[in-house]
Amino acid sequence: GQQLNQSPQSMFIQEGEDVSMNCTSSSIFNTWLWYKQDPGEGPVLLIALYKAGELTSNGRLTAQFGITRKDSFLNISASIPSDVGIYFCAGRMGFGNEKLTFGTGTRLTIIP
Amino acid sequence: GAVVSQHPSRVICKSGTSVKIECRSLDFQATTMFWYRQFPKQSLMLMATSNEGSKATYEQGVEKDKFLINHASLTLSTLTVTSAHPEDSSFYICSASGRTNEKLFFGSGTQLSVL
Repeated sequence: GQQLNQSPQSMFIQEGEDVSMNCTSSSIFNTWLWYKQDPGEGPVLLIALYKAGELTSNGRLTAQFGITRKDSFLNISASIPSDVGIYFCAGRMGFGNEKLTFGTGTRLTIIP
Repeated sequence: GAVVSQHPSRVICKSGTSVKIECRSLDFQATTMFWYRQFPKQSLMLMATSNEGSKATYEQGVEKDKFLINHASLTLSTLTVTSAHPEDSSFYICSASGRTNEKLFFGSGTQLSVL
């Protein structure tokens, strides 16, 4: 199936550092969602974006829906140990309950 | 956010047996449910989409006779892996969305191990 290109694939950072990851597609998406997945768990929704150019924050997390509708980024400020996990972007081409296409994931590790 | 409950969280079975996984939306009516499979260190791959009261739509390459999906009510969908084999071992995750809710909420996943 189709997947979105997500980068970087993995990140090793120190606690307190800021993190930035992005997702790109050759196709236009009308909705972008960002999820975090812990080992052995299902993904948890972090931020949902519905309009091109939209910038939305959720605590230390900020995500933007690219103007071209072909990309999105997620920033995490002042990382803490519980930020460790795998982050997935997901896009929806249509509206409503149409299926999502997932990114390849970014694995975040915090170095003590 | 909305709550999606998935059960069981882990199952170990012998090759050739069938396994049923349940997915329930606890505080909303899930008109659409999706079933994903995830292999270690990989992303989620959509297996099928099910709408309440109708037959599931399977993604290319997914055997509908092997992965039986039932979405008989607005709060429950089941995935049955029939005649499971070791290659079916994977992490299966369901997700659900409501009639007017464009957000997608996930269950906690089921780790299937076929011996």
